[in-house]
Amino acid sequence: ETGVTQSPTHLIKTRGQQVTLRCSSQSGHNTVSWYQQALGQGPQFIFQYYREEENGRGNFPPRFSGLQFPNYSSELNVNALELDDSALYLCASSLELAQETQYFGPGTRLLVL
Amino acid sequence: EDKVVQSPLSLVVHEGDTVTLNCSYEVTNFRSLLWYKQEKKAPTFLFMLTSSGIEKKSGRLSSILDKKELFSILNITATQTGDSAIYLCAAPHTGTASKLTFGTGTRLQVML
Repeated sequence: ETGVTQSPTHLIKTRGQQVTLRCSSQSGHNTVSWYQQALGQGPQFIFQYYREEENGRGNFPPRFSGLQFPNYSSELNVNALELDDSALYLCASSLELAQETQYFGPGTRLLVL
Repeated sequence: EDKVVQSPLSLVVHEGDTVTLNCSYEVTNFRSLLWYKQEKKAPTFLFMLTSSGIEKKSGRLSSILDKKELFSILNITATQTGDSAIYLCAAPHTGTASKLTFGTGTRLQVML
């Protein structure tokens, strides 16, 4: 059984640029959630995708957007990057929408200069 | 708004010590509480607690939930350097179980 994978592992961008982060969910998992973890903080929920539809969003501006594909892999896009977007971005998958237990990928560390 | 608060924020102990990590929560329509261990990047699942007073154990780690007082504790006995990590507590959202609200975590450092 393949776990959750994310790419890239690290990324450096400058303010105003755009970035796309990718996530492959664990085999058989149809729900993918994205979290932002700033240094010294717990992960903050960005949004979630279930069967290719957005299903809930946290307190993040519209420049954070996402996508889920038919194979349940997912992308997180961030436009007009700001310095405060520097963080670890975690993707988590779960077997179903109603399942609390989520399995996390290794994350993408984004640095915005 | 759901809220999860962890204490202490950080802890330094010596190998062999026993530690207790705390998590309190305010969640509408409580379902469960989850504990994760985060060593470098990916949080790894430790426990899910749904019933009050029932201890969950895995080796030297154990956790218990008190639904009346709205808190949970994670105990680690005979700590080892490999236990050094951030321990995160999380509660599922009322409407969407797979959306988690996390606390800020407790950073545990175990010294030789």
